[in-house]
Amino acid sequence: DIQMTQSPSIMSASMGDRVTITCRASQSVSSWLAWYQQKPGKAPNLLIYDGSRLEDGVPSRFSGSGSATEFTLTISSVQPDDVATYFCQQYSDSSPFTFGQGTRLEIK
Amino acid sequence: QVHIVQSGAEVKKPGASVRVSCMTSGYTFISYSIHWVRQAPGQRPEWMGWINVANRQTKYSQRLEGRVTINTDTSARTVNMELRSLRSEDTAVYYCARDKGLYGGYALDYWGQGTLVTVSS
Repeated sequence: DIQMTQSPSIMSASMGDRVTITCRASQSVSSWLAWYQQKPGKAPNLLIYDGSRLEDGVPSRFSGSGSATEFTLTISSVQPDDVATYFCQQYSDSSPFTFGQGTRLEIK
Repeated sequence: QVHIVQSGAEVKKPGASVRVSCMTSGYTFISYSIHWVRQAPGQRPEWMGWINVANRQTKYSQRLEGRVTINTDTSARTVNMELRSLRSEDTAVYYCARDKGLYGGYALDYWGQGTLVTVSS
């Protein structure tokens, strides 16, 4: 199985800050990587797919980059509504799809 | 508009089985695969398996193979997931989610609201 590791596990940012979350894969997943946002008690919500493609309806302050084993999710100017846990997920190896352990974003 | 609604919370005893249903609307049902993902409290999501709704082919996580079955009722636009021989560690919120791609094995763009399954004696 491909292992996905995110860093940091928790981060605190002020409104308007630029924040970056990193996801590393234990082997290459090409660009087959998605990012999800999950708020407490809710299902994950797709933000980015294919490493860098913005899902319809997602604010443009979210962006993704990277390929192979290293990927980043960037929020260009953090808003209060961005308080959530963010997960990466690979879909290169279809069995099983695997998720990172999550990064919890808090606002200072 | 795509909608996915899941069946309600379940409480089961160890060794029992549970079935969770996923009812869809707002898109061409047979064009998109459906995945099942579960999430134990405070843990990362865990992928369980998926079904190609058009040809009913399934693929399961090796960890759960033999205990999980995913099937579909095309006339009802519903996908069902059954998990057998339940253990306490199966306590989790279970989600179904639509595969964004036309051929499956892609990102998950629409999710159900989740179904809490509690396994307790």
